[in-house]
Amino acid sequence: AQKITQTQPGMFVQEKEAVTLDCTYDTSDQSYGLFWYKQPSSGEMIFLIYQGSYDEQNATEGRYSLNFQKARKSANLVISASQLGDSAMYFCAMREGNYGQNFVFGPGTRLSVLP
Amino acid sequence: DAGITQSPRHKVTETGTPVTLRCHQTENHRYMYWYRQDPGHGLRLIHYSYGVKDTDKGEVSDGYSVSRSKTEDFLLTLESATSSQTSVYFCAIRLDRGLVDTEAFFGQGTRLTVV
Repeated sequence: AQKITQTQPGMFVQEKEAVTLDCTYDTSDQSYGLFWYKQPSSGEMIFLIYQGSYDEQNATEGRYSLNFQKARKSANLVISASQLGDSAMYFCAMREGNYGQNFVFGPGTRLSVLP
Repeated sequence: DAGITQSPRHKVTETGTPVTLRCHQTENHRYMYWYRQDPGHGLRLIHYSYGVKDTDKGEVSDGYSVSRSKTEDFLLTLESATSSQTSVYFCAIRLDRGLVDTEAFFGQGTRLTVV
């Protein structure tokens, strides 16, 4: 079964507007971590933001914030004030496992920022 | 720069031939991962390692084997390459900080084409 679901294959957003990229996850672990990565057209994977399962506050990193709703098992990425350079693939990922060894990704969302 | 090197960066091989991809790290990270990236599937975990000679299967391990005889090297082998294994392969590493989560750092990827 898919552990990470990203239901939006593609999204468009106008420059300077905010956008939310959806991520839902499935785990029976009590301790897990959620991550978002950006992959621009150049192909490298760039770590954006992290949320731990025990963190009570939503994570924020600059223009990125993570809307964590534990009961719904969702960890949506919010990008504020979109920029043209935000156009990329975005992947949600989860760390789980007794020793934290498993690290799995969703299928990704392609974000296009329009001028 | 997280000190990860993948080699080769590009390879074309014929169906039925063995292929080995190498991931080398200089950071002494405990966890190492091999993923394949295909359109619509995101990054799928092939195998991972949590120490020297300690490896385990991911979700798409069929047709692949791995070895980790040294901390710094994690090898992915396609015993008999098939066209379905044409993909971009990423290696990733994660630091072990006990109960504290750490993000994964990625190599630049290897584009493998099986003809």
